[in-house]
Amino acid sequence: EADIYQTPRYLVIGTGKKITLECSQTMGHDKMYWYQQDPGMELHLIHYSYGVNSTEKGDLSSESTVSRIRTEHFPLTLESARPSHTSQYLCASGLAGGLETQYFGPGTRLLVL
Amino acid sequence: KQEVTQIPAALSVPEGENLVLNCSFTDSAIYNLQWFRQDPGKGLTSLLLIQSSQREQTSGRLNASLDKSSGRSTLYIAASQPGDSATYLCAVSGNEKLTFGTGTRLTIIP
Repeated sequence: EADIYQTPRYLVIGTGKKITLECSQTMGHDKMYWYQQDPGMELHLIHYSYGVNSTEKGDLSSESTVSRIRTEHFPLTLESARPSHTSQYLCASGLAGGLETQYFGPGTRLLVL
Repeated sequence: KQEVTQIPAALSVPEGENLVLNCSFTDSAIYNLQWFRQDPGKGLTSLLLIQSSQREQTSGRLNASLDKSSGRSTLYIAASQPGDSATYLCAVSGNEKLTFGTGTRLTIIP
């Protein structure tokens, strides 16, 4: 089982609040990813990182931001949450090279009222 | 732009039957193809990974095939069990990013 953790698992918050979703992995993977998944829909890549101080936007535009100050940590921040941000957010990590699988965390279910 | 399609969107079969899930993709320039399992409200668990140079991979009751030239993959599940009920996602890897299909929601009827 992969060692990748996400907190909180569930979050209900009011509009306008700033939130940070945490993601940590203990496998020493250089690559980390954030996906957004609406119920019954496919996963969409919103951010990824190839290593420390590397961050890139994914295929789906997102108002969130990410940082990668340490290899094991890849937090996602929403400066001002809105109901349209309600979704499940999945973090993943993997080895460089594109030949290996990605390991997924359990996800954070976000509900913005 | 890579597009991944999974058919059917939902499938219900009696326990013990063998079944096949289908995945198709539009761009054959891939590094690998992976099948994941997702349980309700949970993250994804990798089931099988097929490198672009391979044609199939097997793990227990699961067998995945890849025909890169035609842009197709199948996931075969033998002797299905109620614990196999989940959503199965196909994903192709290109440029070190994964593109996912919408999944097949599988229900095994006891």
